Amino acid sequence: SQKIEQNSEALNIQEGKTATLTCNYTNYSPAYLQWYRQDPGRGPVFLLLIRENEKEKRKERLKVTFDTTLKQSLFHITASQPADSATYLCALGVAGGTSYGKLTFGQGTILTVHP
Amino acid sequence: DAGITQSPRHKVTETGTPVTLRCHQTENHRYMYWYRQDPGHGLRLIHYSYGVKDTDKGEVSDGYSVSRSKTEDFLLTLESATSSQTSVYFCAIGARETQYFGPGTRLLVL
Repeated sequence: SQKIEQNSEALNIQEGKTATLTCNYTNYSPAYLQWYRQDPGRGPVFLLLIRENEKEKRKERLKVTFDTTLKQSLFHITASQPADSATYLCALGVAGGTSYGKLTFGQGTILTVHP
Repeated sequence: DAGITQSPRHKVTETGTPVTLRCHQTENHRYMYWYRQDPGHGLRLIHYSYGVKDTDKGEVSDGYSVSRSKTEDFLLTLESATSSQTSVYFCAIGARETQYFGPGTRLLVL
């Protein structure tokens, strides 16, 4: 069956360090992968999208890589700040037909950045 | 949350009663989604819509029905609520591949 796993339920790092979150998937051929941020009591917020034919995407302090051979995405936050503390979700999407835009989410990783 | 509202934001109900949650958008997006979020399960798709009167089932659709009679509104109905449907429900709208989420509805079924 299709499965999406985010490497750890919780990740604790010191301010200024780089946070690296992992998303692995099996039995899935996604057309694209996304990362979302969710704060307590709020809905997820879109951060980055990377397509199957792309290796890397960057946005300010965020970087996403996508390896379809390893079936893995890495999400990096450089120079992390306490304000980056949140739950981060990866999501896989397929292309075409009525399933267009339909996402399957991982369980999320709770990131805590300590001052 | 801009452009998406959910109502009610909180609801307590009793087992066996019908419950309807409403999602309203002002963005005119074609795609709309209902998810539930539970500890240990993450976000799971219940139903989605790809146009007015066009809906399809998601991963956890049993016990739920939806309706979309106009572009801006997507209703989720629990025909007879059960305690296992206690959850946080999120509506999302789709713009190309990206989804934008509403603020959520906390539902407690006693």
